[in-house]
Amino acid sequence: KAGVTQTPRYLIKTRGQQVTLSCSPISGHRSVSWYQQTPGQGLQFLFEYFSETQRNKGNFPGRFSGRQFSNSRSEMNVSTLELGDSALYLCASSLTTTNTEAFFGQGTRLTVV
Amino acid sequence: GNSVTQMEGPVTLSEEAFLTINCTYTATGYPSLFWYVQYPGEGLQLLLKATKADDKGSNKGFEATYRKETTSFHLEKGSVQVSDSAVYFCALNPADKLIFGTGTRLQVFP
Repeated sequence: KAGVTQTPRYLIKTRGQQVTLSCSPISGHRSVSWYQQTPGQGLQFLFEYFSETQRNKGNFPGRFSGRQFSNSRSEMNVSTLELGDSALYLCASSLTTTNTEAFFGQGTRLTVV
Repeated sequence: GNSVTQMEGPVTLSEEAFLTINCTYTATGYPSLFWYVQYPGEGLQLLLKATKADDKGSNKGFEATYRKETTSFHLEKGSVQVSDSAVYFCALNPADKLIFGTGTRLQVFP
């Protein structure tokens, strides 16, 4: 079956702009989590959605937001981009909320200039 | 709090050498433990997992045992290949999220 699909794979944005990233989970998976990966901070949890509800949120400013649709697809949005937002953003899908087995997409590489 | 500590890399080995990547954790409760692998330009792939103490996870020749008494989950492989070159992440899930270590880069040379 198809894996986790993230679009786009690469993005270049200017400081101050906003960006929306998309994630389509594995069919049947209802939980979607987002992670930010940077060389300095490593992998950090952003938030998790289950059945269109945010269940958990990491320690990121309010500029980072997300949502999940009824078909379990998820989007995350970053407003007023800063240079430090340049990162690989990874989406993971799971059957349930416990993340006992999370499957990751290839990620979206965001570069802020 | 919950955290994962991994040995710093890079780990450089010749093909067919024995691999150990150390991972220790701090956790409240009884989380599941995972090893993920990331190849260049890719996302994370689940390599193996263990859900309770003394469980051994294994996959593709890699093994790790959940040691509650030493709070460790070290990754081992008896004979590495060039294709094993990647970054390896140890992780735990105390609640509805994964907490990752900093990753260990493995470089295997022919």
